[in-house]
Amino acid sequence: DVKVTQSSRYLVKRTGEKVFLECVQDMDHENMFWYRQDPGLGLRLIYFSYDVKMKEKGDIPEGYSVSREKKERFSLILESASTNQTSMYLCASSIGQGFIQYFGAGTRLSVL
Amino acid sequence: GESVGLHLPTLSVQEGDNSIINCAYSNSASDYFIWYKQESGKGPQFIIDIRSNMDKRQGQRVTVLLNKTVKHLSLQIAATQPGDSAVYFCAEVSGGSYIPTFGRGTSLIVHP
Repeated sequence: DVKVTQSSRYLVKRTGEKVFLECVQDMDHENMFWYRQDPGLGLRLIYFSYDVKMKEKGDIPEGYSVSREKKERFSLILESASTNQTSMYLCASSIGQGFIQYFGAGTRLSVL
Repeated sequence: GESVGLHLPTLSVQEGDNSIINCAYSNSASDYFIWYKQESGKGPQFIIDIRSNMDKRQGQRVTVLLNKTVKHLSLQIAATQPGDSAVYFCAEVSGGSYIPTFGRGTSLIVHP
């Protein structure tokens, strides 16, 4: 079974803090993704990576950055958290040219 | 522009009924479609997929129908069970990309 693990289920941070969300997959997938999920808006792509040290902007990259130093790990960084970044964050991975994504359980981030 | 709503479309059914969840997709160039199920507190999970050269595909208790003429996708769940209660997302992939675009989801509620 593919396993995508997000390091935290719930996080509470203060405005202006630097926040790291970590994601690890165990299936040697080339592609990894970060989404945020908000009520009524579905899944919106923040960043993705198709290889180690490679990253591409998604639809809503502003206020975020990412890091992929190892194939299995993809980190989402909020340089200075703001209240409008309160959301559910989902990490996913997929194989090479594969379309099917495997998701982690999500991290619910609250920025106060 | 896109309308933003806070509430998902909801389908309520009785246990044992058949459920039909609909999805209108936007890009006539999309050639691959996926359905995901997201249970409360979990990440989306792949259910079934279909390529644009097909109009029907069956899985275990689920069937996906594709009507390219009207850009419509549906997911049929036979003999719906309480465990089927979840949010269901359709996703489309356009030629040349391996990144799906997700719909906003439909909430399925199954009453025992």
